[in-house]
Amino acid sequence: EIVLTQSPATLSLSPGERATLSCRASQSVSNYVAWYQQKPGQAPRLLIFDASKRATGVPTRFSGSGSGTDFTLIISSLEPEDFAVYYCQQRSNWPNTFGQGTKLEIK
Amino acid sequence: EVQLVESGGGLVQPGRSLRLSCVASGFTFDDFGMHWVRQPPGKGLEWVSGISWNSDKRGYADSVKGRFTISRDLAKNSLYLEMNSLRADDTALYFCAKGLGGTIENFFDYWGLGALVIVSS
Repeated sequence: EIVLTQSPATLSLSPGERATLSCRASQSVSNYVAWYQQKPGQAPRLLIFDASKRATGVPTRFSGSGSGTDFTLIISSLEPEDFAVYYCQQRSNWPNTFGQGTKLEIK
Repeated sequence: EVQLVESGGGLVQPGRSLRLSCVASGFTFDDFGMHWVRQPPGKGLEWVSGISWNSDKRGYADSVKGRFTISRDLAKNSLYLEMNSLRADDTALYFCAKGLGGTIENFFDYWGLGALVIVSS
């Protein structure tokens, strides 16, 4: 099973700042990585799939990059509604697995 | 508009069974793989099980293999999860999720609100 390790566990930033979230896979997953946003009491929302493709309706301030074992989600300028927990997920190797999450909190 | 509505959650004793259902609407149900993903209280996401568009392939996490069974009814646009021999560590919010494609190795582009399963005596 592929293990995804997200860092940092918690990221404290202010609105308007740039956020950089990382996801590292225990072995290569090509570009088969997605990113999800989850707010309290809500279901996860797909943001990015295939490492860099934005899902329908996702603002352009969200971007993803990476391949192989190292992946990054960047939020270029944080809006108040962006503070949430973010998860990465891989579908390259069976079974599908998620990272443990990064909590993005207001500083 | 895509909608996924789960039902069937509740409080159940260890060792007992429970069946979750998910009714889908707003898309061609037959074309997409469907999945169950769970989230224990205050914790992260765990993929539980998936079924391909034509039910030809089904997959399970090791933690539930041999105890849980996934199925779908195309006529009813419904997804099911039969959960047997439930344990305390199965306590979680169970989300029904639509795959981006027809296979079970996939990403999830729509999610339901979840069904809460509590396993306790």
